[in-house]
Amino acid sequence: NAGVTQTPKFQVLKTGQSMTLQCAQDMNHEYMSWYRQDPGMGLRLIHYSVGAGITDQGEVPNGYNVSRSTTEDFPLRLLSAAPSQTSVYFCASCQLNTGELFFGEGSRLTVL
Amino acid sequence: SQQGEEDPQALSIQEGENATMNCSYKTSINNLQWYRQNSGRGLVHLILIRSNEREKHSGRLRVTLDTSKKSSSLLITASRAADTASYFCATDTGNQFYFGTGTSLTVIP
Repeated sequence: NAGVTQTPKFQVLKTGQSMTLQCAQDMNHEYMSWYRQDPGMGLRLIHYSVGAGITDQGEVPNGYNVSRSTTEDFPLRLLSAAPSQTSVYFCASCQLNTGELFFGEGSRLTVL
Repeated sequence: SQQGEEDPQALSIQEGENATMNCSYKTSINNLQWYRQNSGRGLVHLILIRSNEREKHSGRLRVTLDTSKKSSSLLITASRAADTASYFCATDTGNQFYFGTGTSLTVIP
């Protein structure tokens, strides 16, 4: 099993550009989520989904969109990147009855 | 913010010593979990303790939970250089997981 796969691992954007961070899991997990990790701030929840067709906002959703058309995939879209979105982004998934999150290896995004 | 906080922010110990880190959180929870993050990597689940449990063991890990004080502690016994990492507590209130700010542990060989 590959677990949780995130792409790309590194990305540099200019202010105002758009991009999508991809996340895929092969464990048939109902729950998927996106976090951003900034120095001294720990991980903050951006958006999450409890199943295909269902998404909801976390702590810091502004500037990000998500969709969940399949159980496996949960892409994160930045519509107009800002320097404040420079961060490391993590995707995580779990079975809701266990709550044990499995994380991807992260995507490091720099917005100039 | 509903984030918890770990204490201390950084901890440096000799190999073989025990390491204790604490987590405080703000809201009622279903479960509390501890994760480890090696530098530049994703987080890895270590242990989960439910809100109706007070103590749990897994190998060299011991976790306690005091829901009246909204706090938890993680004890790593007989530490090894490979335990060098950042450690995060995470609380869940159903569908949302909230992570603390982390403790950076350095184990000196």
